[in-house]
Amino acid sequence: NAGVTQTPKFRVLKTGQSMTLLCAQDMNHEYMYWYRQDPGMGLRLIHYSVGEGTTAKGEVPDGYNVSRLKKQNFLLGLESAAPSQTSVYFCASREDRTNQPQHFGDGTRLSIL
Amino acid sequence: QQQVKQSPQSLIVQKGGIPIINCAYENTAFDYFPWYQQFPGKGPALLIAIRPDVSEKKEGRFTISFNKSAKQFSLHIMDSQPGDSATYFCAVRRGLLSARQLTFGSGTQLTVLP
Repeated sequence: NAGVTQTPKFRVLKTGQSMTLLCAQDMNHEYMYWYRQDPGMGLRLIHYSVGEGTTAKGEVPDGYNVSRLKKQNFLLGLESAAPSQTSVYFCASREDRTNQPQHFGDGTRLSIL
Repeated sequence: QQQVKQSPQSLIVQKGGIPIINCAYENTAFDYFPWYQQFPGKGPALLIAIRPDVSEKKEGRFTISFNKSAKQFSLHIMDSQPGDSATYFCAVRRGLLSARQLTFGSGTQLTVLP
């Protein structure tokens, strides 16, 4: 029972490089979310999806793109990484029923040099 | 615009003590108030949650107190244990039209000393 799996777990990039973070869930959840977690700032929503083929902007979407081509996968892309994007990124998914919790992966620690 | 303010930032208690973490919010449209617990190297996990039509909810040693008129809610951990040492986040949720998005507080790092 894997739940929400994030890959990679760690990554170091140079400024200007691009990369894609993968989130996969095996719970058949409709909703998926990408957050970033920075010290003293809690978790901030980057983008989210309410179903396959849909995406929407969250609180801090600038510099990121997302895609949800398959229901179980939610990809977060950085086209041109900047040091300000150094953070821990969390993916979450949720069943489309009232008051169901968000289930989080264990995060991707990303450093931009 | 900070929609939920959490305090304190860190908290140290002795085993058996009752740490209390507080959150305050502004928007009365929020309809769900969860607390998440996060251990180092792991993602947050739902601990307990409350709806605004009740003033208190208990699950085991964890209690949420909710004050709708003051727009505040708090987490109490009874008989705290070293295993409760973690970071705790409160959150507020908007309704269905916003995909039930959660807005998180800034977190409280709790240390329970043996």
